[in-house]
Amino acid sequence: QLQLQESGPGLVKPSETLSLTCTVSGGSISSSSYYWGWIRQPPGKGLEWIGYIYYSGGTYYNPSLKSRVTISVDTSKNQFSLKLSSVTAADTAVYYCATYITATASFDYWGQGTLVTVSS
Amino acid sequence: QSALTQPASVSGSPGQSITISCTGTSSDVGKYNLVSWYQHHPGKAPKLMIYEGSKRPSGFSNHFSGSKSGNTASLTISGLQAEDEADYYCCSYAGSSTYVFGTGTKVTVL
Repeated sequence: QLQLQESGPGLVKPSETLSLTCTVSGGSISSSSYYWGWIRQPPGKGLEWIGYIYYSGGTYYNPSLKSRVTISVDTSKNQFSLKLSSVTAADTAVYYCATYITATASFDYWGQGTLVTVSS
Repeated sequence: QSALTQPASVSGSPGQSITISCTGTSSDVGKYNLVSWYQHHPGKAPKLMIYEGSKRPSGFSNHFSGSKSGNTASLTISGLQAEDEADYYCCSYAGSSTYVFGTGTKVTVL
């Protein structure tokens, strides 16, 4: 069974770039069955889809975040990453990585999430 | 792309049935039969409960069921149990390979 684990700094300064990595175990990130995605939850608010990537590099982003988001994949490390530039306090959230399956249009496996706080 | 609208909270007694609504637009929920539902116990990873509107992942309890009418999808929990107390989120395909989540519903078992 796939397991996903987020990692990265828990504190980022305003205007800087948030960088997170998701390590995949129990399966290959090069699997044709999955896309690899990021979802976040600001404190006290609902979930927000950020985007996802296919192992070969195709990316899809939330239009509201598209200008600031980059998702990339490192098949050699079985990892994929999220970069969010020019962050503000509004980007403070728990960030989850998850698998996305096109066949069911759903997010099947999720990491536990990691809290990122934007503050000086 | 606006968040799908869910009631903030729903409650019920053990054994009762409750229904959580998820209202979108004719561009997402109403246009595609691609609504999924997630159970989220705070501090844990969200769990997929329903996909494609009404299908359950294999091995999952059948006391969760999904449906859709027009621009509104619904999740019904039959025979409410204490462990069903959690936050629930709907999610819909919104076209052009994008997705939108609901505002979330806190389910309380009385």
